[in-house]
Order: sequence, then C-alpha cells, then structure tokens
Amino acid sequence: DIQMTQSPSSLSASVGDRVTITCRASQSITTYLNWYQQKPGKAPNLLIYAASSLQSGVSSRFSGSGSGTDFTLTISSLQPEDFATYYCQHSYSTPFTFGPGTKVDI
Amino acid sequence: QVQLVQSGAEVKKPGASVKLSCKASGYTFTNYYMHWVRQAPGQGLEWMGIINPSGGSTTYAQKLQDRVTMTRDTSTNTVYMELSSLRSEDTAVYYCARAKNGGGGDCYYWGQGTLVTVSS
Repeated sequence: DIQMTQSPSSLSASVGDRVTITCRASQSITTYLNWYQQKPGKAPNLLIYAASSLQSGVSSRFSGSGSGTDFTLTISSLQPEDFATYYCQHSYSTPFTFGPGTKVDI
Repeated sequence: QVQLVQSGAEVKKPGASVKLSCKASGYTFTNYYMHWVRQAPGQGLEWMGIINPSGGSTTYAQKLQDRVTMTRDTSTNTVYMELSSLRSEDTAVYYCARAKNGGGGDCYYWGQGTLVTVSS
C-alpha cells in the first residue's frame, strides 16, 4: 500500500499569510493526488485534483503542484474562512489512502 | 443536482454489526463508483473501500477486509456498507462519497455522514 505523509501536522498563521503544506507519497503516484479542506463538523471539500487542477468554484488563492512523490498545497493569501484541516489523498491505486492532515489555525 | 443522503445515527454494542445506507440522486447511479470513508472523533480520514454500482465489484482496505461488506441496490440507487464485529475503535462518522468522474479515486460529492457509536 502507498503511505501518505504531510507536514507540518499543524501550523499557526495570520490572515494574509502565504501558507504551504507538503504531502509525500511512499512511492511515485505521478499526479494522482487530491487535496481536501475540512471544517469542524462538516464533510471534506475537494479543492484540488490531479495534483494541480483547481476544482470548479474553489478560490484561485488555492494552488497545487508536484508530481511523483512530492506535492504542495499553497494558499496565496490566507483568509478567515481558510482556517481548517487539509488532507491529501492519492488516487493512484487502491487503497486510496489519505494523509494524516494539517490543521491551519490562528 | 447530485445528492447523497445517508441513514441516521446508530448506537451499537461491541460485537454487533451495523449496516449503513447512502441513497444517491441527481445522476446515473451506475456510472460512478462510490467510496466509503470514516473519521473517528478528533482523527483523520480513513478510506474504507469502494464499490462499482454497475456490477457490484468492490475493493476494501486491507485492515477492514474481514469485517466490511459493501453492496448496492440499483432499483433504489442506494449503496450499503455493513461492518461486523464492531469494537470501540469503530466509533466514527462514516461518509459515502462519489468520484468526480466515473471510477476516479477522488471524492467530490459527499454524504452528510452517519455517526456510529460503539459502546457497551
């Protein structure tokens, strides 16, 4: 099975900050990488698919990059509604494992 | 519009089984795989498995392989997830989620979640 790691596990940031979250796969997953945002008590929301494709309706301040084993999610200018937990997930082969998450708070 | 409506909360004793449902609407049911994902309190997301509603084929996470069964009813556009031999560690919110495209591994549309509590 492919294992996913994320760093950092949590971070504190301020409105307007540029935030970068890293996700690493235990083997190459080419660009089969998705990013989700989850707020407390809510289902996750797909932000980025195929490593860098922005889901329709998602703010352009979110961007994704990477291929192979190393990926990043960048929030260009953090907004109050962006304080949440972010998860990566690979979709290369089953099981479609999620990363452990990165909590972004103030 | 696509909707996934899940069954209500459950309270079960250790050793029991639970069967959850996820009723889909707003699209052609058999054209899109359905995932099940769970989240224990305060924990991350755990991918449990996937079902192809067209033929009913399934793939499960290895750690749950012996205890989970996913099925579908094409007459009611509903997928089911049954988990047996419940233990306290199975206490979680269980989500069904549909891929954006066909058999994709992403989870685009999500149900509202079903809380399963396992307690003696």
